[in-house]
This record gives sequence, structure tokens and C-alpha cells, in this order.
Amino acid sequence: QVTLKESGPVLVKPTETLTLTCTVSGFSLSNARMGVSWIRQPPGKALEWLAHIFSNDEKSYSTSLKSRLTISKDTSKSQVVLTMTNMDPVDTATYYCARNVRYFDIWGQGTMVTVSS
Amino acid sequence: QSALTQPASVSGSPGQSITISCTGTSSDVGSYNLVSWYQQHPGKAPKLMIYEVSKRPSGVSNRFSGSKSGNTASLTISGLQAEDEADYYCCSYAGSSTLNWVFGGGTKLTVL
Repeated sequence: QVTLKESGPVLVKPTETLTLTCTVSGFSLSNARMGVSWIRQPPGKALEWLAHIFSNDEKSYSTSLKSRLTISKDTSKSQVVLTMTNMDPVDTATYYCARNVRYFDIWGQGTMVTVSS
Repeated sequence: QSALTQPASVSGSPGQSITISCTGTSSDVGSYNLVSWYQQHPGKAPKLMIYEVSKRPSGVSNRFSGSKSGNTASLTISGLQAEDEADYYCCSYAGSSTLNWVFGGGTKLTVL
């Protein structure tokens, strides 16, 4: 059974750096054509794709957020990590990781992050 | 890269059919057969309903179908059921030069 689970802080302060971890099971992060994306959803708003990491460690980022995002993976731990710098209240959202096989076939449950002082 | 354009809301009665449109550009929807659709119930994670324009994952009802013409993709739900009431999002691959994937703004489906 393929699963993904997000973990990280519930609350961060403005200007702080957010670090989120996605732990996967049921597949390997080194499997060809399988990658993991991060997607977020502010309360009551639409989904927004943030970043993706491929099996060969190639990375891609949302153009609008590229300067603030870093994605990485630890294949031995089955984990994908997303960092977002200089957090702002507008970054308050549920953050999802999803397996990306050119579409998002399996999603994590999501983790709600609130940015507030 | 702008979000794909979806109607904010659609509605239909049980048993009827509805179609949700998803309009992009020649850089995303029009260039790739990599349009996917997701269903999201309140408080839940999105669920894949259609991938590669018209393919259904195992376990998804054949009442759900997808198509594409030019820069516009569509999701059709036939034989509406109460449990179909949810938000629906389209998504397209947008190429490797800029934003790789782009979502639509979402459509709220109400089953009357």
C-alpha cells in the first residue's frame, strides 16, 4: 500500500523558515518516473503546486516562489523535505505532499501550517 | 504562469449529467495530454479521478469521464449522485521551462 505522510510545525512566526517532511511508504524514491511534489491550499482557496523532486534528484519549483523554496530527498529514509523561507501570514495553508507520476495519484493527508506572531 | 480557468460553481439534480470546463493555454492544456482531475470533499485530501485527459484510475466510477479540445479540458459526471457533491480541480503539466504543473481555481459541485 502506497502512503505519504506530512509532518512539521503547526505554527510558525513571520520571517521564520518552514521545514516540512514527507515520509513515504510502499514505493522507493529512487523508482524511475516516480517523484514527489508539494502542493498547498490556503483555507477556502485553490490548490497551488509548489515544488517537485524527480527520482534522479532533478528539482523544479513554482516560478513565483522559487527564491524561497528548497526541496530535497533522503532515499534511505524515504523522506522528502521542503523548506520555505521568510514565511508570511499569506503562506497559511494546508500543505500536501503527493506522489507525482506526471499526475498526482496518491496524496498525503495534509498538514495545516499557520503563520502568526 | 496563471491558474487554469474553471467555473466557480456548477449544480445538477440526481441522475443528471454535468460538465466542468478547464481552460488553459497553448503552453499547458493545449500542449500536453497530461490533464488530470481531482475531487476534494471538505476537510479531505484531493483524490485523483481522471489522468492523462481521459483515463480513470482503478476504483473510480465510470460515471466520470474526461476529454480535451484545444486549450480546454472537460470533466463530465453522469448519473449524478449525492456523494459527488465536492470541489473539483483540474491540473495540467505546463512544461519544464517555468511552472511545471498548474491547477485550476476549483469548481464547487452542488447536487440539488
